[in-house]
Amino acid sequence: GAGVSQSPSNKVTEKGKDVELRCDPISGHTALYWYRQSLGQGLEFLIYFQGNSAPDKSGLPSDRFSAERTGGSVSTLTIQRTQQEDSAVYLCASSLREGEQFFGPGTRLTVL
Amino acid sequence: GQSLEQPSEVTAVEGAIVQINCTYQTSGFYGLSWYQQHDGGAPTFLSYNALDGLEETGRFSSFLSRSDSYGYLLLQELQMKDSASYFCAVATGRRALTFGSGTRLQVQP
Repeated sequence: GAGVSQSPSNKVTEKGKDVELRCDPISGHTALYWYRQSLGQGLEFLIYFQGNSAPDKSGLPSDRFSAERTGGSVSTLTIQRTQQEDSAVYLCASSLREGEQFFGPGTRLTVL
Repeated sequence: GQSLEQPSEVTAVEGAIVQINCTYQTSGFYGLSWYQQHDGGAPTFLSYNALDGLEETGRFSSFLSRSDSYGYLLLQELQMKDSASYFCAVATGRRALTFGSGTRLQVQP
């Protein structure tokens, strides 16, 4: 596709349930990032994939969060046993050049 | 670690010029990026400065001084559609950007 796509666009779940968020990066982009953004706040780094290298997971807030990137393309962010504080917009970005990232439209997650 | 400071809000009128400053503290600095985000939208890339000096792209310009750990985004001929949040972000090598908390720009008629 022409840009980064994410699904679902909105997800409402109950506390304690697991959720999976999907990201399709721009074709050919070797770097893929996950961020989250709470209302009116900046972007919080979660995880970074670069080619076939081991991912940088230093931003994951707890072991309930995990992500994988299959075939160097599509990525899935999984949140297990969701908590209300996990409610946020989860943004995926891909990149080919330093400093220039292309963001998807995000997934708005609401944990009731 | 990294930290960035930028003003939380700026207000200006249509047709005016506005400057949004960003100061940063980081280890392993590679460059400074700027992103625009409209309410409910995703951030969009505006500019990236790896070297000192001014980069101009249409109505928007971005400046970097590595020695002062300082940069700014300059918006000229402001339009109502420029009302948005603007984030500076530091690049520290081939990894994710660290974003500032954002500056909300309100353009008034």
